[in-house]
Amino acid sequence: QKEVEQDPGPLSVPEGAIVSLNCTYSNSAFQYFMWYRQYSRKGPELLMYTYSSGNKEDGRFTAQVDKSSKYISLFIRDSQPSDSATYLCAMSGKGAQKLVFGQGTRLTINP
Amino acid sequence: NAGVMQNPRHLVRRRGQEARLRCSPMKGHSHVYWYRQLPEEGLKFMVYLQKENIIDESGMPKERFSAEFPKEGPSILRIQQVVRGDSAAYFCASSPYQTGGLGEQYFGPGTRLTVT
Repeated sequence: QKEVEQDPGPLSVPEGAIVSLNCTYSNSAFQYFMWYRQYSRKGPELLMYTYSSGNKEDGRFTAQVDKSSKYISLFIRDSQPSDSATYLCAMSGKGAQKLVFGQGTRLTINP
Repeated sequence: NAGVMQNPRHLVRRRGQEARLRCSPMKGHSHVYWYRQLPEEGLKFMVYLQKENIIDESGMPKERFSAEFPKEGPSILRIQQVVRGDSAAYFCASSPYQTGGLGEQYFGPGTRLTVT
């Protein structure tokens, strides 16, 4: 069983839709949770960074962490074609430093 | 403020040759991480370094791979006697010093290694 599970998609939605991306994990020691966006043949770009359970909002993006269920989500409101990319969840334990990534979900926003 | 820089961006090596990948962290960042991304897979941690120290190399293959982050100059990931299975995108990330908790990691554009 992988430490972090993420549905690889692909996921295709119309412009303006609300997108929900999810990851589950098995390691209860994870305390830091991140979402990265990766365009084709580019490096991952940090979108959201949260610590422990709760919600964090930044513009059109909301990150949600539920440690009791070992489940994290990223919501994208008013999705745009420029949001088309692969979204990677990543997490780490306290002091562990190294990030454990999900497989990534390929998202396409159709105009 | 320049981001994480990696070079070369593309590297082609024949089987048995050596590959050297370079990473310059963001200004003010003293922590460097290397990750590998195989086709259609997520990123896998390889090694975590601070200046002149390897902190965690639990993701590094035991043979042929080594990494360093000298006092002066970029971090180097070295792969000796490359094989076709080493073909992948190699990403470097850097993080600022932090006193507990986790510093955000910022990634470079990657080096795409092709072994022929």
